[in-house]
Amino acid sequence: EAGVAQSPRYKIIEKRQSVAFWCNPISGHATLYWYQQILGQGPKLLIQFQNNGVVDDSQLPKDRFSAERLKGVDSTLKIQPAKLEDSAVYLCASSKTGEPEAFFGQGTRLTVV
Amino acid sequence: QKEVEQDPGPLSVPEGAIVSLNCTYSNSAFQYFMWYRQYSRKGPELLMYTYSSGNKEDGRFTAQVDKSSKYISLFIRDSQPSDSATYLCAMRKRYGQNFVFGPGTRLSVLP
Repeated sequence: EAGVAQSPRYKIIEKRQSVAFWCNPISGHATLYWYQQILGQGPKLLIQFQNNGVVDDSQLPKDRFSAERLKGVDSTLKIQPAKLEDSAVYLCASSKTGEPEAFFGQGTRLTVV
Repeated sequence: QKEVEQDPGPLSVPEGAIVSLNCTYSNSAFQYFMWYRQYSRKGPELLMYTYSSGNKEDGRFTAQVDKSSKYISLFIRDSQPSDSATYLCAMRKRYGQNFVFGPGTRLSVLP
């Protein structure tokens, strides 16, 4: 079974630029999560999708972050404009309906300079 | 008070030692408890999952949950240098809800 795929693995941008990350969850997993992990901290949820609907986006900075999962499969997370404090690893995870575990991708390491 | 607390370490032990990693939490509604291992520059990898209170064993790993104390533990027996990583506890209230993570404990197992 293929795992959660994310791209790119690394990205360096200047502040005020925009950036987008892509995630393809494990086949058959209806729930998709985007987490932000700042160095030395645990992952923090940004947004959770169930199929193509948003379940929880309470911690998403909506003035600059947006995410979509149009067909209920892969998802894109965008930041526009980026700030220095957005430097972090962005992790995508997925889980199967009725099962408690979530499986993570390798993450995208973003550096904003 | 943070919802999930974890000693950040670093924790250094000699090869073969028994390692104890712990998390405390404040929300009694949490029912599902996970331990993830994260190697440097990698995504978290699920190690153990337990529901409610009790113990669960998988090879060299044992997870314990004490809901009355709001305390969970992960024990690693016969630790190996390959166990050197950051260990994250995570918990959720019920299916369909998001996971709340601790900050992680960095473990080094010295050969």
